[in-house]
Amino acid sequence: SYVLTQPPSVSVAPGQTATITCGGNSIGYKSVQWYQQRPGQAPVVVVYDDSDRPSGIPERFSGSNSGNAVTLTISRVEAGDEADYYCQVWDSTSDHYVFGPGTKVTVL
Amino acid sequence: QVHLVESGGGVVQPGRSLRLSCAASGFTFSSYFMYWVRQAPGKGLEWVAVISNDGSHEYYADSVKGRFTISRDNSKNALFLQMSSLRAEDTAVYYCARDKDIMLTFGGVINYWGQGTLVTVSS
Repeated sequence: SYVLTQPPSVSVAPGQTATITCGGNSIGYKSVQWYQQRPGQAPVVVVYDDSDRPSGIPERFSGSNSGNAVTLTISRVEAGDEADYYCQVWDSTSDHYVFGPGTKVTVL
Repeated sequence: QVHLVESGGGVVQPGRSLRLSCAASGFTFSSYFMYWVRQAPGKGLEWVAVISNDGSHEYYADSVKGRFTISRDNSKNALFLQMSSLRAEDTAVYYCARDKDIMLTFGGVINYWGQGTLVTVSS
């Protein structure tokens, strides 16, 4: 089955930039979504189709998929960005939706 | 706006069954693919199942295949998850979710989520 990898944690000072990576076999050929989950809340999609942002999501959130590297970048980090972030893809080989293990972003 | 409300969670003994429901409103339910996603306490998200808009196709995670059944009643704007042979590792918050767009194939974006219902499998 398809497996996604993410760093367990990322720490960043307010106003700085947080970068979260997501790895997987041939992930460059897949469309990647990123979800933010604050404690006690349901997930919210912050980036879909690699780099698109839903309405209402700040421009500070951006995604990229360069073929070898998939990243979520949070610019000008704020205290409210502290949350768990999950990448997710659809694996057409197995007909499975796959989530990464999640990255906890801590704002120092 | 899109509103998804799960119900049916609770404490159940290992090996028993439980049926979750999700009441949908604020959109044309019969047009959208729907999902169940779960999250064990302190753990990450795990996709459980997906069903096409007309209920004709469904897929399951390997961990639940053969034990769980996803279904829908478009006349009642309701999504269901029938869970059987429950195990301790099925303990989780179960989220009902909707696709972002009206899709013709699987692989869309899981965009709208309910607040979840907790299932605890314990003797």
